This record gives sequence, structure tokens and C-alpha cells, in this order.
Amino acid sequence: DSGVTQTPKHLITATGQRVTLRCSPRSGDLSVYWYQQSLDQGLQFLIQYYNGEERAKGNILERFSAQQFPDLHSELNLSSLELGDSALYFCASSVVSKAYYGYTFGSGTRLTVV
Amino acid sequence: AQRVTQPEKLLSVFKGAPVELKCNYSYSGSPELFWYVQYSRQRLQLLLRHISRESIKGFTADLNKGETSFHLKKPFAQEEDSAMYYCALGSGNTGKLIFGQGTTLQVKP
Repeated sequence: DSGVTQTPKHLITATGQRVTLRCSPRSGDLSVYWYQQSLDQGLQFLIQYYNGEERAKGNILERFSAQQFPDLHSELNLSSLELGDSALYFCASSVVSKAYYGYTFGSGTRLTVV
Repeated sequence: AQRVTQPEKLLSVFKGAPVELKCNYSYSGSPELFWYVQYSRQRLQLLLRHISRESIKGFTADLNKGETSFHLKKPFAQEEDSAMYYCALGSGNTGKLIFGQGTTLQVKP
């Protein structure tokens, strides 16, 4: 599958814990984006990486961090988790650093904080 | 501030009826606008971009800068069009997209 791959698909964890979400972009894509989708906030942009470097930042909490590795996969780290962090986290990728051609989305990681 | 508004949470039509999903945006520069669709149990996928002025699955969307709108239209809805539709705004030199809250389209037989 040459699309965007996200692991794990589901994650249940307790408040105060730390988790890592992983994303492998579509083959050939250099840019990776992270979005959070919750019922009340909709799809919120978190952060973008392009070829290993941070390119844009949204309203990402300080408890959250991300990076893109030399093989272009990306990880989103969420720490000191709170109940309100429960959401669907999407990763997307694109060839270029702009949204011009649109994104390819992954199927998401559903995070439940209990 | 950059914003995308989709005023309808749910739009329900009968098969064969025309469909118009509304999208209004707020942006002072030259916008890049997109429609994304999410079918049941599938991932979000790009439906169309205003730049390409294409028609995908019978859907079209025209950018109206005067009304700051990018409504999605289809003359005859099909049951397989039932899905969640998101309007998105791209801007600047990054790939950041601002999404609307989405509209669920329900096409009844």
C-alpha cells in the first residue's frame, strides 16, 4: 500500500500518560501534516513538516510535539494526557510543501483517554 | 482571520434532486479552495480543487470571490454521494489547510 499509513488505529490510555502516534507518508511525498478531529472542534491543524523540517504550526499544545525522520516518517508525541485529548488524529501527506495539489490522508488513530 | 464556514450540518435530498453544499470563507489574500469527502468507513479524500476547475463524480464548484463562496454542486444526486463533505482553505506558503465543520449529505432513494 503506497498510501498514508497510520499506526496504531486505536489507542486507549489513562490520563497523565504519554503516547506516540506514527505516520508513514505516501511514497514520494515529502510533507507530512497532523490534524486533530474532535466532535466539537472539527478538523484542527496541528503541525506540518517538510523534508524533516517544521514548516507550519497550528494551535498545538505544548504537551504535544512532533518530528519527521530522515526516512520521512513522522511521529506525534502526546504527553500528560487529559480527557479532552480524546480525538481522532489524522496524518496527511503531499509532494510539495504547499496544499496546492491537495493532501492524501491516512485513516487516523483514534485516541481515547480514560 | 482565516475561516471556513459550512452552514449546514446535514443536507438531506432525494435521489435525482440537485445538490448544493454551501461553503463561505474569510481570507484577505488569494485563496486556494478544496472540497474533501469522507465516505462511510473510508478515509478523507480530495474531491476537487478550485485551481483545476475540474468536475469529479459530477460535482463542480465555482469560486466566487465577491461573495467569498465556494459552493459544491451536483445537478442530480445519487445514493452513493451520501458522505461527509468538507470545504477547506489553503493559504500562504505552507500546506496548512483550514477546514469547515463539514456537511453530511444524505441522499434518500
